[in-house]
Amino acid sequence: AQTVTQSQPEMSVQEAETVTLSCTYDTSESDYYLFWYKQPPSRQMILVIRQEAYKQQNATENRFSVNFQKAAKSFSLKISDSQLGDAAMYFCAYPGGSQGNLIFGKGTKLSVKP
Amino acid sequence: EPEVTQTPSHQVTQMGQEVILRCVPISNHLYFYWYRQILGQKVEFLVSFYNNEISEKSEIFDDQFSVERPDGSNFTLKIRSTKLEDSAMYFCATRLAGGSNEQFFGPGTRLTVL
Repeated sequence: AQTVTQSQPEMSVQEAETVTLSCTYDTSESDYYLFWYKQPPSRQMILVIRQEAYKQQNATENRFSVNFQKAAKSFSLKISDSQLGDAAMYFCAYPGGSQGNLIFGKGTKLSVKP
Repeated sequence: EPEVTQTPSHQVTQMGQEVILRCVPISNHLYFYWYRQILGQKVEFLVSFYNNEISEKSEIFDDQFSVERPDGSNFTLKIRSTKLEDSAMYFCATRLAGGSNEQFFGPGTRLTVL
């Protein structure tokens, strides 16, 4: 079965510091995408970053970057220069269904301390 | 920028009543999804819809649930005879065919069953 695992229920970071959120997944596919979504208190699901599995280069979006290790099936999210607005739940997701439906991890609640 | 919209934002209903949650997809998107998030838990896939029919559904999506696209624009989720455990956020998501499987989420409908 395809699964997505986030082993850190909660993380905390000091403002302006860097934090890494971990995610592992299980799949037998060779070409796929991976996603990180942010869910602030409003509960809107906001795409943070995506990674194509066949690309060796790690994706980067401004202060957000990933460390993608395909062989290890690891897809961690690094947030640099953390800001108060980064405080949210972060979900790792993999489109594991036959129709591309997303399989989500349980999420990591990130707190940012001023 | 095009966005997925959902109505209502919050629905309160009595146990046993029927509710209809509505979603307006992004106009050129072809795949539609419903997800559910019970408070404090991960986002769970309910159903996918393509070419005017259900393409995949999870074990959660039993006979109590139905989806349709009655007028070519709205995409609805109907829950018959609601139960207390149906209280959750319900997200609609849509995507283009092919590509990255990136899904665009609506803001969600918070359903409260009393």
